[in-house]
Amino acid sequence: AQSVAQPEDQVNVAEGNPLTVKCTYSVSGNPYLFWYVQYPNRGLQFLLKYITGDNLVKGSYGFEAEFNKSQTSFHLKKPSALVSDSALYFCAVRVSIKAAGNKLTFGGGTRVLVKP
Amino acid sequence: GAGVSQSPRYKVAKRGQDVALRCDPISGHVSLFWYQQALGQGPEFLTYFQNEAQLDKSGLPSDRFFAERPEGSVSTLKIQRTQQEDSAVYLCASSFTGTSGSSDTQYFGPGTRLTVL
Repeated sequence: AQSVAQPEDQVNVAEGNPLTVKCTYSVSGNPYLFWYVQYPNRGLQFLLKYITGDNLVKGSYGFEAEFNKSQTSFHLKKPSALVSDSALYFCAVRVSIKAAGNKLTFGGGTRVLVKP
Repeated sequence: GAGVSQSPRYKVAKRGQDVALRCDPISGHVSLFWYQQALGQGPEFLTYFQNEAQLDKSGLPSDRFFAERPEGSVSTLKIQRTQQEDSAVYLCASSFTGTSGSSDTQYFGPGTRLTVL
């Protein structure tokens, strides 16, 4: 079984400050890890993913995430948050083995509020 | 560019009614997924198609839920005899390849918000 935990329901940050959204995962095998963002009344928008290789992954809109195998974590980061980054963020995992299929398992989401 | 589209965007049904939700994936995408997102929660997997073949329906909550993709493109999720607990946003996603275990990104549609009264 695979699972994802996002320990913070909400993260508040001042505009211009660094933003971190935490994610830990549990899988049997090598993970593929994803971050999505959801704005009100819209679907999930892909930000970035980790497949293999470099532990630091860069994605859209200045976001990046660091894969840490020993801590089973994949935290999302942005050096300088914008008010427009205020949204709901989801971490998701999939296992890289064929038998596991392609379904994503999502965390419960973290609401980010960036204040001016 | 054309992304994943879903219709209707909003659906209100009376308890006991049947509903049909449509998903148009990105053109050429082999894989299609349905997820259910309850209020305040993350999406949960319902079912998965590779072309017209339904390879995984382990997430369908009951036999009232049925999905099809007869020509390998458009998909319909049907819910029979809707119940209040079916109220949720239903998200459709597609990805380029059908290879199981691939690292392909799933691209999501805007969702259909179903409210059962």
